[in-house]
Amino acid sequence: EDKVVQSPLSLVVHEGDTVTLNCSYEVTNFRSLLWYKQEKKAPTFLFMLTSSGIEKKSGRLSSILDKKELFSILNITATQTGDSAIYLCAEETSGSRLTFGEGTQLTVNP
Amino acid sequence: NAGVTQTPKFQVLKTGQSMTLQCAQDMNHEYMSWYRQDPGMGLRLIHYSVGAGITDQGEVPNGYNVSRSTTEDFPLRLLSAAPSQTSVYFCASSYYPRSNYGYTFGSGTRLTVV
Repeated sequence: EDKVVQSPLSLVVHEGDTVTLNCSYEVTNFRSLLWYKQEKKAPTFLFMLTSSGIEKKSGRLSSILDKKELFSILNITATQTGDSAIYLCAEETSGSRLTFGEGTQLTVNP
Repeated sequence: NAGVTQTPKFQVLKTGQSMTLQCAQDMNHEYMSWYRQDPGMGLRLIHYSVGAGITDQGEVPNGYNVSRSTTEDFPLRLLSAAPSQTSVYFCASSYYPRSNYGYTFGSGTRLTVV
């Protein structure tokens, strides 16, 4: 199984700060890299990245993939308390199998 | 459109008991899967299915059985529960073979085996 490593595992910031979450992955049968936000219950889909160097953006969140260096970053600007959650990164391989990282626990304090 | 529905939300089992976790989706997704989430280990794939009548093992299949008789339903069976199966279980679905919208997750079943 491919390994997905996220860093940091935990992060505490103040409202208004900008954060960068990291995700590295292995390359066997790579199809895409996905980011999810998990609050109390189900992970909710944020981004799917398949092409290197193309930024995906949604409001204050953005993500980019580097297929040469095998990593992705998720940026959150002007953080709000509602951004507090676990952010999960997953590598999708052929056969629609997802391998998840441990997740980054983000806490945004007022 | 309910998305992915999991039942029950909570369950306590005694060691050796059996039970079935239910998962249903109404999005006509071909692909369905089961994950377990444990502290410090992320989500791990248990079993998955790419269509009715087709199932395959994931990363941690031991102790679990699945079947897929319809497109909508993908139940997960624990034949003889063990404390090591205490976890939060998520069902996920998507279009197959390709989806640009990621995978949709259910709200989870928290299982405790005592």
